[in-house]
Amino acid sequence: KAGVTQTPRYLIKTRGQQVTLSCSPISGHRSVSWYQQTPGQGLQFLFEYFSETQRNKGNFPGRFSGRQFSNSRSEMNVSTLELGDSALYLCASSHTSGGRTDTQYFGPGTRLTVL
Amino acid sequence: QKEVEQDPGPLSVPEGAIVSLNCTYSNSAFQYFMWYRQYSRKGPELLMYTYSSGNKEDGRFTAQVDKSSKYISLFIRDSQPSDSATYLCAMSDILTGGGNKLTFGTGTQLKVEL
Repeated sequence: KAGVTQTPRYLIKTRGQQVTLSCSPISGHRSVSWYQQTPGQGLQFLFEYFSETQRNKGNFPGRFSGRQFSNSRSEMNVSTLELGDSALYLCASSHTSGGRTDTQYFGPGTRLTVL
Repeated sequence: QKEVEQDPGPLSVPEGAIVSLNCTYSNSAFQYFMWYRQYSRKGPELLMYTYSSGNKEDGRFTAQVDKSSKYISLFIRDSQPSDSATYLCAMSDILTGGGNKLTFGTGTQLKVEL
């Protein structure tokens, strides 16, 4: 079974631009979560989508947004990029969430550099 | 103060040693505890998953959870150079509208030397 895939793997943008990152979950998985990883803050939860609905949201500004499509693929968007947005963005998928924490499988991440 | 604290290391051990990795946390609502391993330039890979207190063993890996002390551990027996990676603890609760929001420690960098 194919794992979680993320595109692109690397991205360089300049301040003020916007960016869209894509995540394809493992086949059959309906939950997709996004995390930001930086050396100083570690892995921080951005948001989770389940059946095209945002179910959980972390403490990030509104410049960070996401969506999920009917095939469970997800995108996240960052508008008005800042230098501090440079990070590894990780996507994780899980089968379902029926009131418990499921095993989450992570993709390789998208490395975003903001100049 | 962060909800989950983890010593960043680096931790250097000789091959064959027993490695102990630890995390402490402050949120008593955490019920699910995980350990992930992350190699350089890769996404985290789940090693161990436990619910509530107790021990769980899988091969060379043992996870322990002590909810009364808000302390979790991962033990690696007979450590190998291939175990060299960053180890992340993660935890979650189901009280915040869904269970898939993980709170991570900052990770401990482990190097196993020949």
